[in-house]
Formats: sequence, structure tokens, C-alpha cells
Amino acid sequence: DTAVSQTPKYLVTQMGNDKSIKCEQNLGHDTMYWYKQDSKKFLKIMFSYNNKELIINETVPNRFSPKSPDKAHLNLHINSLELGDSAVYFCASSRGLAISYEQYFGPGTRLTVT
Amino acid sequence: QQQVKQSPQSLIVQKGGISIINCAYENTAFDYFPWYQQFPGKGPALLIAIRPDVSEKKEGRFTISFNKSAKQFSLHIMDSQPGDSATYFCAAGSTGNQFYFGTGTSLTVIP
Repeated sequence: DTAVSQTPKYLVTQMGNDKSIKCEQNLGHDTMYWYKQDSKKFLKIMFSYNNKELIINETVPNRFSPKSPDKAHLNLHINSLELGDSAVYFCASSRGLAISYEQYFGPGTRLTVT
Repeated sequence: QQQVKQSPQSLIVQKGGISIINCAYENTAFDYFPWYQQFPGKGPALLIAIRPDVSEKKEGRFTISFNKSAKQFSLHIMDSQPGDSATYFCAAGSTGNQFYFGTGTSLTVIP
């Protein structure tokens, strides 16, 4: 069974469109995250949620809006897509907020904006 | 501003050799230092982690060396194998806050 799953795996879209990426974890974890990995493989946190509440909201354009319908899901909606949004987006989860809890990453969603 | 500096950017090692990746940080509040391994097309996965109260942690062929006074830590992979070829990320963070990742090191182990 996949611990952290994301859909879709690949997403190709045009500038100006709105798209969503879905994430689900079946580990029973309380905390979920979204990370962005750019073309140089630099990995940066975007958001974290704990028990459906927003904890971390890094300096991300407000075109990005996370939604957590329940503890097992954290979706990422992106409005008015721009070329610079092209990246691999990773969802992750952990048992809780303690930094020593291992984060389990999903397989990633490669977003290409043309 | 890059919170965690990682070097080298890429590394090529012969099978059986030792791979060494270095990281440095500035924020003395950081108290947890994990290393993540990422294979192509996959998400990162935790490899090994250390707290600043110890200077070394070993798990199998992987060892973290930690120098608190220098604010540096490194990953040593002993007896490197082709299956170790991946991108390695160091990270640092403090309790109650987020991780900051290094820029990654692409390791290639030549058979």
C-alpha cells in the first residue's frame, strides 16, 4: 500500500489556467506538508497542516491555496498558473509537528506550465 | 538566504570508496539535522538524523559527523555501492519550526 500518494503524477497546462494536485496519506499521521522542488532540485517547504489547521505558510504567492478536508488529505490548488510555477511538488506527512518525526514524502507531481 | 549550505554539488566515487558530503549552518537554534536520500523520480526519504548532543551517529554504512562549534555536519558513506547513486539532502531545523534543506548533492558510484 502506498503510504503517501499524489495525483496526478504529471500535469502539463498553459499559463493562466487553474489546477489542483491531490494528496492522501494512509499512515494515520496528523501533519501534512507541501514542498516545491525547482529545476535545480532545491527543496523548499510551502505549507504545513496539523489536524487540518494551517501551521506553516511560507512566502508563497496567494495564488497557491492548500485545502485539508480531513487529516488524511491535503490538496493544493493553484490559480492563474505562471511559467515559474513549473516544478515538482511533493506532499509529505509525519506523525506530528515535532521536528524529529520522520517526514514521509509522496512520489511528486511534475507540473509543467507552457 | 540559504539557511543550510551543502557541498559538493556533485560527487563521483568508485565502488567501495568513501563518499563525503558536507553541510554548514548559521542558526544556532537548529537542533535536529536529518539527511534525506532521493532517487530519480521518487520523493526524498529519511536516511539518518542526528541531534547536536552527540558528535557522531552511525547506521550501517552511513555515518553523520557533527561539529557543533564549527556549525558543520557531514554524511559519510562507507563502501559506496552503485545502488547508493542518488541525490542527498542535508537539512536542519529547530523544535517547533520547519526544516531548511541544503541544495543537494548528486552522488554517482561507478562500478
